[in-house]
Amino acid sequence: KAGVTQTPRYLIKTRGQQVTLSCSPISGHRSVSWYQQTPGQGLQFLFEYFSETQRNKGNFPGRFSGRQFSNSRSEMNVSTLELGDSALYLCASSLQGSYEQYFGPGTRLTVT
Amino acid sequence: AQRVTQPEKLLSVFKGAPVELKCNYSYSGSPELFWYVQYSRQRLQLLLRHISRESIKGFTADLNKGETSFHLKKPFAQEEDSAMYYCALIRDNYGQNFVFGPGTRLSVLP
Repeated sequence: KAGVTQTPRYLIKTRGQQVTLSCSPISGHRSVSWYQQTPGQGLQFLFEYFSETQRNKGNFPGRFSGRQFSNSRSEMNVSTLELGDSALYLCASSLQGSYEQYFGPGTRLTVT
Repeated sequence: AQRVTQPEKLLSVFKGAPVELKCNYSYSGSPELFWYVQYSRQRLQLLLRHISRESIKGFTADLNKGETSFHLKKPFAQEEDSAMYYCALIRDNYGQNFVFGPGTRLSVLP
């Protein structure tokens, strides 16, 4: 069974730009969660999508948004990038009713 | 507010020695607690969850509600246990709204 995939793996953007990251969950997994990982703040929950609906949201500004498609693939978007948005963005998927999350390799975003 | 703390950033032990990775939490309801592990050049993965009460790779963790702790223990550490360990709490028992601790890097020395 293929694991969670994230594209792109690395990204360099300029302050003020916007970026879209993609996550393909394990087949059959309908829940997709996004996390931001930084050395200073650790792993922070961004949001979770289930069946194309945002089910949970963390404490991030509205510049961070996401969506999920009917095939469970998910995208997250960050608008008006700031230097502090530089981080590893992790996506995780899980089966309905399970708390076991399967993580992707992450997308390393650098904002200059 | 829900919070998970792991007081040690780095823990070094010798092979064969017991190891205990500390985790404390603050949560107003009934918590669901987990340990996730990330080995070098691998993805973050679930190690164990308190509700299953199982031993994975020789590791166990007991939820102590009185002390609000969920320490991870192994009686005899192996070199392959060297990794980053994260304690995590799920909020509200609905969906995947996890709160992760800052992590402890375990280094098992030969």
